[in-house]
Amino acid sequence: RKEVEQDPGPFNVPEGATVAFNCTYSNSASQSFFWYRQDCRKEPKLLMSVYSSGNEDGRFTAQLNRASQYISLLIRDSKLSDSATYLCVVNMLTGGGNKLTFGTGTQLKVEL
Amino acid sequence: DVKVTQSSRYLVKRTGEKVFLECVQDMDHENMFWYRQDPGLGLRLIYFSYDVKMKEKGDIPEGYSVSREKKERFSLILESASTNQTSMYLCASSLSWAHEQFFGPGTRLTVL
Repeated sequence: RKEVEQDPGPFNVPEGATVAFNCTYSNSASQSFFWYRQDCRKEPKLLMSVYSSGNEDGRFTAQLNRASQYISLLIRDSKLSDSATYLCVVNMLTGGGNKLTFGTGTQLKVEL
Repeated sequence: DVKVTQSSRYLVKRTGEKVFLECVQDMDHENMFWYRQDPGLGLRLIYFSYDVKMKEKGDIPEGYSVSREKKERFSLILESASTNQTSMYLCASSLSWAHEQFFGPGTRLTVL
């Protein structure tokens, strides 16, 4: 089983739609969680950190479910500019120390 | 704004050549990382460093070495480039493991 798993997509949605991505992780000792966004041929950039209580930033909401070991990202009122790949990132505590593991990403395409 | 720069955007080398990829960050970050990104495999950690002259192997260190002589600079070295090292190489830095990573623009390396 992969340490961090995401549905690769692509998710093709119309403008204005609500879309949700899930990400599961295998290590219960994971400590911190992030969603990054990566545009085509660009570097990843932080979209938001994910906190235990859940957090919201405008149209974006992130949730963490430690019991089921998954995090989610909800995007409301999708815009064309939201088209990108969304990477789930988990900071795990291992015997060798901290380890950041990236998921392979979920591709989102927002269409007119 | 944090800035992470990489020495080249595109690089073409021949099999067996020694290749140096340079990365510089301007925010006095402790941690620096080298990843490679390949389609379907996502970002994979090659090496990281949490202090000057310190280095730790990531998930795929074979065929690579690194150097961190100064805090702001982290170099990735391919001692003898091979075709399976053709990839996008991304450098990142962060204040700590719990903080976001800032990425450079990437170097697309082709080994012929």
